Amino acid sequence: SAVISQKPSRDICQRGTSLTIQCQVDSQVTMMFWYRQQPGQSLTLIATANQGSEATYESGFVIDKFPISRPNLTFSTLTVSNMSPEDSSIYLCSVEGTAPYEQYFGPGTRLTVT
Amino acid sequence: AQTVTQSQPEMSVQEAETVTLSCTYDTSESDYYLFWYKQPPSRQMILVIRQEAYKQQNATENRFSVNFQKAAKSFSLKISDSQLGDAAMYFCAHTYGQNFVFGPGTRLSVLP
Repeated sequence: SAVISQKPSRDICQRGTSLTIQCQVDSQVTMMFWYRQQPGQSLTLIATANQGSEATYESGFVIDKFPISRPNLTFSTLTVSNMSPEDSSIYLCSVEGTAPYEQYFGPGTRLTVT
Repeated sequence: AQTVTQSQPEMSVQEAETVTLSCTYDTSESDYYLFWYKQPPSRQMILVIRQEAYKQQNATENRFSVNFQKAAKSFSLKISDSQLGDAAMYFCAHTYGQNFVFGPGTRLSVLP
């Protein structure tokens, strides 16, 4: 299984600012995923990030609000831009495993916007 | 629409007893995978068990087993000999293309 770390683990940010969340995995993976988990809710996929190509965003999520970088096979960042209190959530990254449709998740970043 | 329904927002079980968490789903895919993930207070999502839809045999992993009814699109999780460490949110999910669709979750409490 992959070991995934995320930074920061939590943050409290002011409305209108931006936060960049880092996701590091201990092995090379082609596909990485970013999810949002709003308080008391389930996980919703934001985008899929493949190395060497533009991220693919799900309905309701746009690149201007959630720009993603994927500079290499072990690292990705998600930026939450121009934050509002509605962006308060846990943001999780995940990576594909070796078995079909296997995903391993990072520990998440808890974001609070005041 | 691809949906996952977990009709039990909260469940509780006595330690050492058995509990079953329900999940139903709707997908237009003919070939897909189903999963149960556990999310303890640490927030780490942990894969509990997975089932390939084309396999009729129910998956088992130690104390965890599933009852997969493909025609009914039902995928329940049975936890036997419940332990205090099983307390967590449990999410049912299915694949849709390369992506996952998650249910709303069931919060499981284990009573000593």
